[in-house]
Amino acid sequence: ETGVTQTPRHLVMGMTNKKSLKCEQHLGHNAMYWYKQSAKKPLELMFVYSLEERVENNSVPSRFSPECPNSSHLFLHLHTLQPEDSALYLCASSQDLVGRFDEQYFGPGTRLTVT
Amino acid sequence: GQNIDQPTEMTATEGAIVQINCTYQTSGFNGLFWYQQHAGEAPTFLSYNVLDGLEEKGRFSSFLSRSKGYSYLLLKELQMKDSASYLCAVRAPGEGTDKLIFGTGTRLQVFP
Repeated sequence: ETGVTQTPRHLVMGMTNKKSLKCEQHLGHNAMYWYKQSAKKPLELMFVYSLEERVENNSVPSRFSPECPNSSHLFLHLHTLQPEDSALYLCASSQDLVGRFDEQYFGPGTRLTVT
Repeated sequence: GQNIDQPTEMTATEGAIVQINCTYQTSGFNGLFWYQQHAGEAPTFLSYNVLDGLEEKGRFSSFLSRSKGYSYLLLKELQMKDSASYLCAVRAPGEGTDKLIFGTGTRLQVFP
């Protein structure tokens, strides 16, 4: 596999469920990101990790819990979500943090529906 | 506050030229990106501008004017496969690091 992969591609969950989204990058990058893309809204940055350390939490509710066990993997743990959390969740990676010019490579996203 | 404006939708004909505008008002500016996103797919990088002027890359060009808070993406010799959303994103200082602030995207439809 090359680039940034995400699993699952589609997820339907109830408000009381617990699920996890997985992202894996095969690019040797040091920084990874979670974004939320809702219909007719801009991409919203949720979390930023650099060398497995969280460097930014963009005021995201605690029902979203990120985990970065190593520089190649990033998880987003979900629990007690709300219907308004239904969106496309995109993972991205870059060589280093966006403090220098580093384009971000995006995964295909997980389409999440909360019922 | 942070604000990035792009037209919601545009249409054009195959073989034509189209210009997608982006205006921004952000707390700080460290560069501007354009991404292309086909329906159901990941955004892919098109261009990056940090200095004023025009950057050309094949059929695609991107222009930046920092004093006007303005950029545009120019697509020449349009092809059907150019039908996609085009996202404008500004790199701005954040709490821990610079971050990308995205516009809502411009959905371009190319007709035969």
